[in-house]
Amino acid sequence: AQTVTQSQPEMSVQEAETVTLSCTYDTSESDYYLFWYKQPPSRQMILVIRQEAYKQQNATENRFSVNFQKAAKSFSLKISDSQLGDAAMYFCAYRSAGRGGADGLTFGKGTHLIIQP
Amino acid sequence: GAVVSQHPSWVICKSGTSVKIECRSLDFQATTMFWYRQFPKQSLMLMATSNEGSKATYEQGVEKDKFLINHASLTLSTLTVTSAHPEDSSFYICSALFGIVYTQYFGPGTRLTVL
Repeated sequence: AQTVTQSQPEMSVQEAETVTLSCTYDTSESDYYLFWYKQPPSRQMILVIRQEAYKQQNATENRFSVNFQKAAKSFSLKISDSQLGDAAMYFCAYRSAGRGGADGLTFGKGTHLIIQP
Repeated sequence: GAVVSQHPSWVICKSGTSVKIECRSLDFQATTMFWYRQFPKQSLMLMATSNEGSKATYEQGVEKDKFLINHASLTLSTLTVTSAHPEDSSFYICSALFGIVYTQYFGPGTRLTVL
């Protein structure tokens, strides 16, 4: 079974600064997908960024980028120019690539991100 | 695109009654949907995979007779909590697969309180 570990229960960053959230995972599979989801106080899960394991290039989405280290099984999220609206719980998630995407997500425990004005 | 809705957003029921939660994909068809459960200040735990036109697949430890899932159309999956008890009180979230990479898009969740 796959496991996802987020070792930072809470992180705090000044507005406009950069913050990195850590995520490690354990799997015996070679092909999979990794995700970062954001859950604000409304509790709506919002996709932040996605990384395909077969791609060496790190994914980026505007101010959000990842550092994907496949050999180390590490998948960190960097948020640049932090904004007050970035305050939320951030969950790292894993999904197998097989079965046409029909596998559910395995989530880490989450990191609560606080933005200091 | 990829909007998922859930209804109701919040439901309170008495112990022993049944509650149905709907999950709809609004602007796309979803042959596969998922149901998750989230306790306060905890992560999401996958409960079951809902497949259109076939039986749901439940994760280990999830009582299939208690959490009935029906996926009768390509845009609707329902979760029925039967004979609800206070320990079933939780936040239930559904998701649906969308796109070539089969990314999961989530509904806004349903808060269930069993008195």
